[in-house]
Amino acid sequence: AQSVTQLGSHVSVSEGALVLLRCNYSSSVPPYLFWYVQYPNQGLQLLLKYTSAATLVKGINGFEAEFKKSETSFHLTKPSAHMSDAAEYFCAVRGPSGTYKYIFGTGTRLKVLA
Amino acid sequence: DVKVTQSSRYLVKRTGEKVFLECVQDMDHENMFWYRQDPGLGLRLIYFSYDVKMKEKGDIPEGYSVSREKKERFSLILESASTNQTSMYLCAATGTSEAGELFFGEGSRLTVL
Repeated sequence: AQSVTQLGSHVSVSEGALVLLRCNYSSSVPPYLFWYVQYPNQGLQLLLKYTSAATLVKGINGFEAEFKKSETSFHLTKPSAHMSDAAEYFCAVRGPSGTYKYIFGTGTRLKVLA
Repeated sequence: DVKVTQSSRYLVKRTGEKVFLECVQDMDHENMFWYRQDPGLGLRLIYFSYDVKMKEKGDIPEGYSVSREKKERFSLILESASTNQTSMYLCAATGTSEAGELFFGEGSRLTVL
């Protein structure tokens, strides 16, 4: 069965510092992986997605994620945090090809300190 | 991208009331979803629809039903609202890419008193 684990329910970084949000997945087949961002009282917005075309995926707002099969990881990074990055971030994996079953991590709340 | 619109952002209802949450998508996509989001529990799938009048139960369908009479519209119905259904409800639709990423609406925050 597929699963997603996000390490750290809360992460704090200083403005201008590196952002690293961790996501590990389990999947028996090459997965489709996603990162979403959620601002307070809003829906989830797609940041980026992995589809096996490239292991380093660039997304919106300066975020990127690297797919590492050997580590079953898909960590989200941003070189320099902005105050506007404060939000909750969700990693998700889609079920086997042909299905529309999505597994979401429990989320990581990012706090950016001035 | 798919634009998903949820008609009600905030609702306050009384126990026992019938509640309708409406969701519309703009790209004629087949797949639509209703999730419930609660602190510490993440997103939980209530119902999924893969075509008009077609639906599948998700992980927590009890107390809910859905309606999909037209492809663009997917409604979530709480037949008799209870306080434990106070939550954030998120509607989503899939895009057309290979990955099938979900596009979410703004959410409907329901409070049942």
